[in-house]
Amino acid sequence: AQSVTQLDSHVSVSEGTPVLLRCNYSSSYSPSLFWYVQHPNKGLQLLLKYTSAATLVKGINGFEAEFKKSETSFHLTKPSAHMSDAAEYFCVVSDYQGSSNTGKLIFGQGTTLQVKP
Amino acid sequence: KAGVTQTPRYLIKTRGQQVTLSCSPISGHRSVSWYQQTPGQGLQFLFEYFSETQRNKGNFPGRFSGRQFSNSRSEMNVSTLELGDSALYLCASSVSGGLEETQYFGPGTRLLVL
Repeated sequence: AQSVTQLDSHVSVSEGTPVLLRCNYSSSYSPSLFWYVQHPNKGLQLLLKYTSAATLVKGINGFEAEFKKSETSFHLTKPSAHMSDAAEYFCVVSDYQGSSNTGKLIFGQGTTLQVKP
Repeated sequence: KAGVTQTPRYLIKTRGQQVTLSCSPISGHRSVSWYQQTPGQGLQFLFEYFSETQRNKGNFPGRFSGRQFSNSRSEMNVSTLELGDSALYLCASSVSGGLEETQYFGPGTRLLVL
């Protein structure tokens, strides 16, 4: 079975400093991995996705993530945090059951990013 | 292109009632998935529909059901509401629900059960 674990439930950074949100995955096959962001009282917005092409994936708003198979990790980074980055971030893996396309996403528990002025 | 829309955005119901939520996917998308989001359980998969057929179902009781219409719009129904059903219900659409496809989420319907 596929799963993701977000290693921090809450991360606090100062504006202008780097952001690191950590995610480890477990998968019996080559996974499709995503990072989504949810601002308060909003739906989920895709930041970036990995689908076995380049291991370094660039997303929107300056975010990027690196797929490391040896470490089973897919950490999200941004060089310089902005106040508008304060939100909840979800690491997500596509479920895979045999040969079926299940249309099912498995979510991590989320990391709340706080950005201090 | 218009995004995924969900109606209503907010609902208040009492225990024992039933509720129907609606989701209109992005034009051209035929796969619609539903998720429940609660503070305690996080985001959990309810079910996925493609071409009017339920292809996958999560671990929810039979009180939770859904359907999809020929225009790909989807509804989910919860019967005999319980307090624990209070949650944000999100739907997502994609072209065909493939593993590598991006799922686009709507703003959600916030359900409060009293």
